Amino acid sequence: DQQVKQNSPSLSVQEGRISILNCDYTNSMFDYFLWYKKYPAEGPTFLISISSIKDKNEDGRFTVFLNKSAKHLSLHIVPSQPGDSAVYFCAASAKQISSNTGKLIFGQGTTLQVKP
Amino acid sequence: GAGVSQSPSNKVTEKGKDVELRCDPISGHTALYWYRQSLGQGLEFLIYFQGNSAPDKSGLPSDRFSAERTGGSVSTLTIQRTQQEDSAVYLCASSFTSRDRGTSGETQYFGPGTRLLVL
Repeated sequence: DQQVKQNSPSLSVQEGRISILNCDYTNSMFDYFLWYKKYPAEGPTFLISISSIKDKNEDGRFTVFLNKSAKHLSLHIVPSQPGDSAVYFCAASAKQISSNTGKLIFGQGTTLQVKP
Repeated sequence: GAGVSQSPSNKVTEKGKDVELRCDPISGHTALYWYRQSLGQGLEFLIYFQGNSAPDKSGLPSDRFSAERTGGSVSTLTIQRTQQEDSAVYLCASSFTSRDRGTSGETQYFGPGTRLLVL
């Protein structure tokens, strides 16, 4: 039962253009969403997050959009740079009233290649 | 400041041997998580610590897996009688957790991982 899905395993864009990475989720209890970037042989690096009370959060070249009714979020990178080439994971957590663990549920990842 | 550190960075072991993986979280972070990433898979939650207690062990795949945390800081993940399917990258993350999360979450910061290969 995949609660967080990234349906595109890979994406290739030209330098300077927009990269759009998508993520869908099924659990309506998720209230916090994050995007991580991962280079080979390194741990995931936090990029940007969004709370379920918002529909957009922006940080420099990175913007995350949340559509709760569609249970969909996306990460926009503008302009894309070759150094952005990496695997991108979306993750979600749910406020567990009783256990309050905050554990993250990850998607399978999307490999982004930005061509010079 | 220092980030999350993990040791060893790589571990090769023989089937049936026990291994210990170590995590040093960011100073002051009360929450600590273990995840693993098997080849071609996403990250899979294993266990969560708040201080020295583990209120959520639901991701541990079998009773061969255990973890402890001491002094609210360092954590050790132990895998007994390793099997080939245990081969994966084991990742540790930490975050600062307030008792009342409200509607915002705490960002988890990851270490570089330990790459475990069971032959």
